[in-house]
Amino acid sequence: QKEVEQNSGPLSVPEGAIASLNCTYSDRGSQSFFWYRQYSGKSPELIMSIYSNGDKEDGRFTAQLNKASQYVSLLIRDSQPSDSATYLCAVKTSGTYKYIFGTGTRLKVLA
Amino acid sequence: GAVVSQHPSRVICKSGTSVKIECRSLDFQATTMFWYRQFPKQSLMLMATSNEGSKATYEQGVEKDKFLINHASLTLSTLTVTSAHPEDSSFYICSAKGGDHEAFFGQGTRLTVV
Repeated sequence: QKEVEQNSGPLSVPEGAIASLNCTYSDRGSQSFFWYRQYSGKSPELIMSIYSNGDKEDGRFTAQLNKASQYVSLLIRDSQPSDSATYLCAVKTSGTYKYIFGTGTRLKVLA
Repeated sequence: GAVVSQHPSRVICKSGTSVKIECRSLDFQATTMFWYRQFPKQSLMLMATSNEGSKATYEQGVEKDKFLINHASLTLSTLTVTSAHPEDSSFYICSAKGGDHEAFFGQGTRLTVV
């Protein structure tokens, strides 16, 4: 079983819709969770971090964490074509500095 | 956010030669730096973790004699790919962490070995 799993996509949504990206992880000791956006040929950029159960909102982005289900998601409201990218879920286990990445979900926002 | 600068952004080298990639934290002291490799359409794979002033910790399957990592100061880490071969062609990305904030990524280096 992979440590961090994501559906590779592509996930296609129309402009203005809500895009929902999901991620599951295997290590129950994980404490920190991150969503990165990566454009083709570029380095990842941090969008959201979340550390406790529940929702965390930042602009059009909402991260949701459920540690009992070992599940973290990212919602993008009012999706724009510029949101088209690969979204990487990353997990960090308590006591280490290692970030474990999922394979990423490719999002396409159709104009 | 914090700035991490990686150089060069692209490099083409001949098979058998060595290539050095630099990663600098510009506005904070990076106590820990990470080196990742990303093949096309795949995720980031951690190669090694380095702490300033100590030897790097390599992930399983990564040859430490081939991928030399030096973290001599709190703002600079280098990755040297020695005796590069075409299969080493990849996107190499560093990230740096210092203090309480999370790690930030450099811009990445596209290495092509011909």
